[in-house]
Amino acid sequence: DAKTTQPTSMDCAEGRAANLPCNHSTISGNEYVYWYRQIHSQGPQYIIHGLKNNETNEMASLIITEDRKSSTLILPHATLRDTAVYYCIVRLYSGNTPLVFGKGTRLSVIA
Amino acid sequence: SQTIHQWPATLVQPVGSPLSLECTVEGTSNPNLYWYRQAAGRGLQLLFYSVGIGQISSEVPQNLSASRPQDRQFILSSKKLLLSDSGFYLCAWYPRRNTEAFFGQGTRLTVV
Repeated sequence: DAKTTQPTSMDCAEGRAANLPCNHSTISGNEYVYWYRQIHSQGPQYIIHGLKNNETNEMASLIITEDRKSSTLILPHATLRDTAVYYCIVRLYSGNTPLVFGKGTRLSVIA
Repeated sequence: SQTIHQWPATLVQPVGSPLSLECTVEGTSNPNLYWYRQAAGRGLQLLFYSVGIGQISSEVPQNLSASRPQDRQFILSSKKLLLSDSGFYLCAWYPRRNTEAFFGQGTRLTVV
């Protein structure tokens, strides 16, 4: 079972920042937080991951609270192409641990 | 570079017919491989994963089976398809190091 809780859906105006929250109150010390997104009829796409420090890449920023019980994915300037289902996943560092997807958040970017 | 191939892209099969979906990975060795299914309007369900040749872990008991005859080949099979087997099937591979997973383009299976 997924160990995360996300809102079912969110709307965001085009050009504004999209902030997607995720609760993972039972996360253990050696579990990472991963974010993926799935655009309709495509395979999931990796976005970013982190352990306890905030992370930023060309796609997004990941803010993890100090107690690591929640995190926020930030898309700084959302575009229509960012409309997708966003999944927050916690996963052990071990490469043998499978990715288990929850229901995710359906983000709709509106013009 | 590493790539993942999955085929066919779409498939329409009658109930009771067999199924074989193939997934191959290039540019890496000893990958962790996964099969997922997404029913219409539902989330991604992990079906099988494999950490090596002949090593298959099943997450959900069902009408499907998986095999890994070669290091970079992962096959999803069924002897007799059910209507409930319809869905979007995705193969994924995960490098041994802790980085992103890569997904194939998926197979949309419709059982009629």
